[in-house]
Amino acid sequence: DTAVSQTPKYLVTQMGNDKSIKCEQNLGHDTMYWYKQDSKKFLKIMFSYNNKELIINETVPNRFSPKSPDKAHLNLHINSLELGDSAVYFCASSLPGTGEDTQYFGPGTRLTVL
Amino acid sequence: AQSVTQPDIHITVSEGASLELRCNYSYGATPYLFWYVQSPGQGLQLLLKYFSGDTLVQGIKGFEAEFKRSQSSFNLRKPSVHWSDAAEYFCAVGPSGGSYIPTFGRGTSLIVHP
Repeated sequence: DTAVSQTPKYLVTQMGNDKSIKCEQNLGHDTMYWYKQDSKKFLKIMFSYNNKELIINETVPNRFSPKSPDKAHLNLHINSLELGDSAVYFCASSLPGTGEDTQYFGPGTRLTVL
Repeated sequence: AQSVTQPDIHITVSEGASLELRCNYSYGATPYLFWYVQSPGQGLQLLLKYFSGDTLVQGIKGFEAEFKRSQSSFNLRKPSVHWSDAAEYFCAVGPSGGSYIPTFGRGTSLIVHP
């Protein structure tokens, strides 16, 4: 009964490769997010989707492309991976506008680019 | 724009001692305030949140936090720390202008000595 799940948990790959991270939530939320956490633990919002539509797109290289096939899923595809992409990526979901704007986080995906 | 400051990068306490982690925020209206905990290798887990009402908020794992509007603070407390509380703690304030994206502090790393 995991609320927000991500796969894979660990991802090790070579520079230049293309990879995807999947996220699913079973909380009935309509908004999902991707965060990047750097080596200093700083959390930076990357994208936010509401009802499958992109509502937030922070300054992120266009090598990163989110895809939301439905409200419960938000996948992150990364093209031409670079060393600086190494980080932990967190998916989160929430149900804003209901007075319960709490974000629930997945366990994270640790991406290592060699 | 909203912002969050966690002035302590690291805090070291002895097991059984009391704990207070500081959080100061800047926000134009009544904020939503959150504390999250991130155990090593794990995702973020919500400890507690303040939306309105009683300014002393009880959370999970024996934590509490007090919202002080006059000081723009939302400090996290625990009367007796356990070794398993060693983790990274994040304070967050939100939402912002309808984007529903909370702003996270840089985190405080809690070290617990036996």
